[in-house]
Amino acid sequence: DARVTQTPRHKVTEMGQEVTMRCQPILGHNTVFWYRQTMMQGLELLAYFRNRAPLDDSGMPKDRFSAEMPDATLATLKIQPSEPRDSAVYFCASGLGPVHTEAFFGQGTRLTVV
Amino acid sequence: AQTVTQSQPEMSVQEAETVTLSCTYDTSESDYYLFWYKQPPSRQMILVIRQEAYKQQNATENRFSVNFQKAAKSFSLKISDSQLGDAAMYFCAYRGSSGQGAQKLVFGQGTRLTINP
Repeated sequence: DARVTQTPRHKVTEMGQEVTMRCQPILGHNTVFWYRQTMMQGLELLAYFRNRAPLDDSGMPKDRFSAEMPDATLATLKIQPSEPRDSAVYFCASGLGPVHTEAFFGQGTRLTVV
Repeated sequence: AQTVTQSQPEMSVQEAETVTLSCTYDTSESDYYLFWYKQPPSRQMILVIRQEAYKQQNATENRFSVNFQKAAKSFSLKISDSQLGDAAMYFCAYRGSSGQGAQKLVFGQGTRLTINP
């Protein structure tokens, strides 16, 4: 049963702390996306990778956010330092590029920064 | 830049009835893909249906079908014989077909669908 796996499912942290969210894309998929979902902004693309190389991270606040793919089976999104406005659900999705059609989503990480 | 607009924040329908969710988009591309995703309370984003812009025939998946009007840039979702399990947020999404920008999905703001028993 191929699926995108995200950990943790929930995270509560104090302002100023570092947060790391992890994603295991579907085996064989070479495109990975990070989306953030909030009530106010909806679903926003933060960054995406193809073959582990970042193609677009223009949606990501560069001063505190970083995204990497240490290997083909792991993508990470880090926030350092975290702020209350970062509270959101963060989704990872994967697909087959460049000709893929749909993206397959993980169940998301609900982040609360207090 | 491409934009996707869902003008109905909320919709409700009686169980077993038919409901149509609206979506319009703006693009200068001639070839692209359109999607409807469902997000139930579990938060999982589930692909419901997709449409390739070069295909004139409207896509259909069981009780779900679309009305794709390319000239009007409209992409509505029709759910027939609504079931309680259809209750969710529904998102319309656009993806281009060429260039780096083609890789990302652009989402609408979503429509919350309630099914009344």
